[in-house]
Amino acid sequence: DGGITQSPKYLFRKEGQNVTLSCEQNLNHDAMYWYRQDPGQGLRLIYYSQIVNDFQKGDIAEGYSVSREKKESFPLTVTSAQKNPTAFYLCASSIEGAQANYGYTFGSGTRLTVV
Amino acid sequence: RKEVEQDPGPFNVPEGATVAFNCTYSNSASQSFFWYRQDCRKEPKLLMSVYSSGNEDGRFTAQLNRASQYISLLIRDSKLSDSATYLCVVNGGSSASKIIFGSGTRLSIRP
Repeated sequence: DGGITQSPKYLFRKEGQNVTLSCEQNLNHDAMYWYRQDPGQGLRLIYYSQIVNDFQKGDIAEGYSVSREKKESFPLTVTSAQKNPTAFYLCASSIEGAQANYGYTFGSGTRLTVV
Repeated sequence: RKEVEQDPGPFNVPEGATVAFNCTYSNSASQSFFWYRQDCRKEPKLLMSVYSSGNEDGRFTAQLNRASQYISLLIRDSKLSDSATYLCVVNGGSSASKIIFGSGTRLSIRP
């Protein structure tokens, strides 16, 4: 079955620690995205990538980094510079240029908590 | 004014009722519109796109009013399984940064 896999489902981070969230898709989608969701708020765009080896900052990129070395993979690193990282992180993909017509496919999310 | 606004609810209605909620958007150049459904602690899933002429999918009807800049979702004969948060999504341009998610309307269907 085609889809997006995010791991881990739950992640606990200590103060000052970097952590990496995995996102893999086998939908052959060109574009991939990372969103953050906080309680009672809409999804906010962290980073997106429309093609391999290229990515752009979204609205809240500070304290995060990404890479896109393979079409299937778009890992997100939450660095120690991100002061309030506790949130639900969602990875999504779409056929490039077609998110306007077909929307996104989302992974099941990673819930990150700072301990 | 927020770019995309939704009544957060919760809407609490009996099974079988008809329920409708709106979503307003501020960017008059917005090009496409969607409703997503999100269950508690799960990822959003695309419910339906919203077309200019309005569209229906079973018990769900979506409409767009460009003049007043809002979209609506109508659910007829509501089921217990319709309980979820409904997210309005507005695409204001060709870049991913122009896709704006509303904060969602929570719907609870009671037996």
